[in-house]
Amino acid sequence: EAGVAQSPRYKIIEKRQSVAFWCNPISGHATLYWYQQILGQGPKLLIQFQNNGVVDDSQLPKDRFSAERLKGVDSTLKIQPAKLEDSAVYLCASSSYPSGGLLAKNIQYFGAGTRLSVL
Amino acid sequence: GNSVTQMEGPVTLSEEAFLTINCTYTATGYPSLFWYVQYPGEGLQLLLKATKADDKGSNKGFEATYRKETTSFHLEKGSVQVSDSAVYFCALSYASGGSYIPTFGRGTSLIVHP
Repeated sequence: EAGVAQSPRYKIIEKRQSVAFWCNPISGHATLYWYQQILGQGPKLLIQFQNNGVVDDSQLPKDRFSAERLKGVDSTLKIQPAKLEDSAVYLCASSSYPSGGLLAKNIQYFGAGTRLSVL
Repeated sequence: GNSVTQMEGPVTLSEEAFLTINCTYTATGYPSLFWYVQYPGEGLQLLLKATKADDKGSNKGFEATYRKETTSFHLEKGSVQVSDSAVYFCALSYASGGSYIPTFGRGTSLIVHP
């Protein structure tokens, strides 16, 4: 089974520029997560989708960050305009929940991430 | 709110030493608890999990027991190997609005020397 695919792997931009990240979850996974992981910290959940609906986006800085998951499959995360403090690794994960029942509950499969440097 | 606290790293050990990485949590209700591992240059992957009090999760020689009375989920391994060098993340997941919301600790780096 193919894993979670993310692109690009690395991105360097200047502050005030825009950037977009793409994620393709494991086939059939209904739940998709975007995290921000700043160096030395744990992943911080930005947004969680179930199919193409938003379950939680309470930590998404909505003035500059946006995300969509059209057709309940692929997802894109955009930052516009970027700030220096947005430098981080952006992780995408997927879960089969609600399919799979208790065994699948909350087991997440992560992509390798996109490392963003804002100069 | 919900949160996870892990011991600060790095933890540096010699091969075959005993490992403990402490994790405590704050949560309402009964969350599921997880340990994820991130090897250098790779994404996070699930190491083990426990879904209710007194459950013991185990995998690859690692173990952790869900202790509701102490709100802890400490990770242990009896004999570490160099290949265990990685960053370990403790996480919880709690039910909210028909789904489950994850929260991660800041991670603990483990370095194992030959």
